[in-house]
Amino acid sequence: DIVLTQSPATLSVTPGESVSLSCRASQGISTSIHWYQQKSNESPRLLIKYASQSISGIPSRFSGSGSGTDFTLSINRVESEDFSVYYCQQSYSLPTFGAGTKLELK
Amino acid sequence: EVQLVESGGGLVQPGSSLKLSCVASGFTFSSYNMHWIRQAPKKGLEWIALIYYDSSNKYYADSVKGRFTISRDNSKNTLYLEMNSLRSEDTAMYYCAKSAFELGPFAYWGQGTLVTVSS
Repeated sequence: DIVLTQSPATLSVTPGESVSLSCRASQGISTSIHWYQQKSNESPRLLIKYASQSISGIPSRFSGSGSGTDFTLSINRVESEDFSVYYCQQSYSLPTFGAGTKLELK
Repeated sequence: EVQLVESGGGLVQPGSSLKLSCVASGFTFSSYNMHWIRQAPKKGLEWIALIYYDSSNKYYADSVKGRFTISRDNSKNTLYLEMNSLRSEDTAMYYCAKSAFELGPFAYWGQGTLVTVSS
């Protein structure tokens, strides 16, 4: 199985800051990585597909980058509604998810 | 509008069985691969099963292989997950999800159905 390691586990920020969340794969997966946001008591929502492709309806402050084993989700100027948990998922082989990064208010 | 609605969850004893359903609407169900993904309380997401659009292939996570069976009825736009020999570690919210391609991404998710395995 491909293991995805997300870091940091928790990120404490103030609104208006820009942040980067990391996802590292245990082997090369090209750009077969996707990012999700999950708010408390809600289903996950797809934010970015194939490392950097945008999703209709998702604010432009969310962007993704990377290929191979190292991937990044960036949030430009965090807003209050962004405080939630973020997961990466690979589709290079049978799907696996990272453990998540919790973005919290400092 | 794509909708996925799960049902069938509940409180069951260890060793028992349960069958979950996911009714799909708003898209051509018979054209898409479907998945089950679960989330234990306060934990992360775990993919557990995939079924091809035509039921020709099925794949499972090691944690459920041999105990869970994924199936679908395209005439009823419904996805199923039959769960046998349930364990306490199977306690989770179970989501069905649709993927445009074989293994993801998961653009659409249901609201989930909660399965609690406890004596």
